[in-house]
Amino acid sequence: KQEVTQIPAALSVPEGENLVLNCSFTDSAIYNLQWFRQDPGKGLTSLLLIQSSQREQTSGRLNASLDKSSGRSTLYIAASQPGDSATYLCAVPENTDKLIFGTGTRLQVFP
Amino acid sequence: GAGVSQSPSNKVTEKGKDVELRCDPISGHTALYWYRQSLGQGLEFLIYFQGNSAPDKSGLPSDRFSAERTGGSVSTLTIQRTQQEDSAVYLCASSFGQGMATGYGYTFGSGTRLTVV
Repeated sequence: KQEVTQIPAALSVPEGENLVLNCSFTDSAIYNLQWFRQDPGKGLTSLLLIQSSQREQTSGRLNASLDKSSGRSTLYIAASQPGDSATYLCAVPENTDKLIFGTGTRLQVFP
Repeated sequence: GAGVSQSPSNKVTEKGKDVELRCDPISGHTALYWYRQSLGQGLEFLIYFQGNSAPDKSGLPSDRFSAERTGGSVSTLTIQRTQQEDSAVYLCASSFGQGMATGYGYTFGSGTRLTVV
């Protein structure tokens, strides 16, 4: 059974810092991995989808890496801004039909 | 549509009443998923549809919960005889093909916040 862990659980940093959010999963036989952002009281917004054949994906200030063999993914946020404050979730498939989510990293970026 | 649409956005109901939550997926997305997020908790898988069939219902918490999908499009999640522990945000997502298995990610709706009083 797939289990997903995210560390740290919470992070509070001043604006401008470069950040690293970690995700680990127990079953490395995954098709891909997806990172989401959730704002308070809102649904999930997809940030990045990394295929199993890829090692990383970039979108603007976000870069996500995937190391299947070690069961790890990292989300790197460059030059953080207050607008980046949210909960960040990583998710991997279990079998072919559902995503298993980590419990998230709650990020606060203060001015 | 342009995104996944869920209604209502908020629902307050009395304990013991039945509720219906609706999800309208992105046009052409054959896969549809329901998740539940309780206060301070992670996302809990409920059920997965491929077309109108539900190959995986393993996450439905009890027989008070049911879901259907018609025309390969709109899905309804029904909770009968609601209990206070049913209070949560119910999220729907859709995906093209078999979702993660075929390399396409999920798109989520904004959710329905259900409060049972």
